Amino acid sequence: GQQLNQSPQSMFIQEGEDVSMNCTSSSIFNTWLWYKQDPGEGPVLLIALYKAGELTSNGRLTAQFGITRKDSFLNISASIPSDVGIYFCAGKRGGGADGLTFGKGTHLIIQP
Amino acid sequence: SAVISQKPSRDICQRGTSLTIQCQVDSQVTMMFWYRQQPGQSLTLIATANQGSEATYESGFVIDKFPISRPNLTFSTLTVSNMSPEDSSIYLCSGGLNTEAFFGQGTRLTVV
Repeated sequence: GQQLNQSPQSMFIQEGEDVSMNCTSSSIFNTWLWYKQDPGEGPVLLIALYKAGELTSNGRLTAQFGITRKDSFLNISASIPSDVGIYFCAGKRGGGADGLTFGKGTHLIIQP
Repeated sequence: SAVISQKPSRDICQRGTSLTIQCQVDSQVTMMFWYRQQPGQSLTLIATANQGSEATYESGFVIDKFPISRPNLTFSTLTVSNMSPEDSSIYLCSGGLNTEAFFGQGTRLTVV
C-alpha cells in the first residue's frame, strides 16, 4: 500500500542541537500526525495537524502541515536525552473512518 | 485522549496454533484499528474493526488469517490464525475519536 517517504532514516546529534525531519507523499492527506515510539512501547501521539498550512507546537516540538497537503515536517528544539527514540509521521486520507499510513520512521540518537 | 490496554503484552507460540489479542479502550471511541509492526519496521494497517459487523481489511490481509471482532465501542479482538514464524511481529490496537488515533502498548508475538 501507499507509504510516506520519511527522512532522514536516522540522526546522530549532540544534546542541545535542533532536529528536523519530514515526510512527503505523492498523494494528498487530510490529517498529519507525528508519533514517538520508545522500545517496547506503542507509538505516542505528539502533534496532530488538520489544515493545510497549519503550524502547531507542543513544548519544544513544532510541526507543520504542508500547503500542498502532501508533506509535513517536525522540528525539535534544544534536544535532550529523553528525545531519543523513533519518530513516525502518519497520514490519514479521509475522516475518522480511515486508518493511518505511516512513514518508515526517523531514529534519533543523541550523543553525549 | 484514550487509554488503550492490550493483552497479552507478549507471547511465544508454536507454529500452527492461533492467538487471540484483546484490546480494551477506557472510553467510547468511534473507530478501532489493528496494525502490525514487523521487527525494525514501521506500522502497517491490518484492518478497521467495525462495531457489530465484519472488519474491513487492507490489501494483503484476509479474514481467515486475521479474524477480528468488535462487540461494542470499547473492546476488540484480533486473532492470528495458523501461525508461522513470519507472523512474528508486534500487533497494535488503535482507537480514536474523529481524526486523532491513540495506540496500545502492543503485543509482541514470537512464533517458533
